[in-house]
Amino acid sequence: KAGVTQTPRYLIKTRGQQVTLSCSPISGHRSVSWYQQTPGQGLQFLFEYFSETQRNKGNFPGRFSGRQFSNSRSEMNVSTLELGDSALYLCASRSPSGPQETQYFGPGTRLLVL
Amino acid sequence: AQSVAQPEDQVNVAEGNPLTVKCTYSVSGNPYLFWYVQYPNRGLQFLLKYITGDNLVKGSYGFEAEFNKSQTSFHLKKPSALVSDSALYFCAVRDTARAAGNKLTFGGGTRVLVKP
Repeated sequence: KAGVTQTPRYLIKTRGQQVTLSCSPISGHRSVSWYQQTPGQGLQFLFEYFSETQRNKGNFPGRFSGRQFSNSRSEMNVSTLELGDSALYLCASRSPSGPQETQYFGPGTRLLVL
Repeated sequence: AQSVAQPEDQVNVAEGNPLTVKCTYSVSGNPYLFWYVQYPNRGLQFLLKYITGDNLVKGSYGFEAEFNKSQTSFHLKKPSALVSDSALYFCAVRDTARAAGNKLTFGGGTRVLVKP
């Protein structure tokens, strides 16, 4: 099975711009979560989508949003970028709940805000 | 609220020696526990998990971890470390309490350096 793919891998933006990141989960997985990784704050949960519905949201401002499509692909959007948004954004594809449950991560999108 | 602590920022070990990376957690329900490894400029790679069953779980690349409910710990171990095990290791927990959702909460990470 192909793993989780994320595009683009690297992105440079300037303050005030907006950005859209894309994630394609493992085939058959319907849950996609997004995490932000920074040296200062570590790994923090952004939100989770399941069957095109946001099920859970972390403690991030409304500038961070996402959506999921009917094929389970997900996008996250950050508007009005700030310097502090520079981070590695990781997408995770989750297998169904129960004994087999595991979140598998993509390679990430590294965002640099100048 | 769920939380994870990895008390050591860095662990140094000689190649061939045992490796232990410590993790303790706090949840309100039953925990699902995971270990991930991250190599430079890469995403997180799944190593192993505890969902239910045997307290000793075995994972990829010779790693294992022991779930200890009374001590709320889930330490990662490898009997004989390799230089290629040098990386950043993360412990994560999912609280199965209904209100917690499906999110993973991560520890701060432990950098492992295996010296030849």
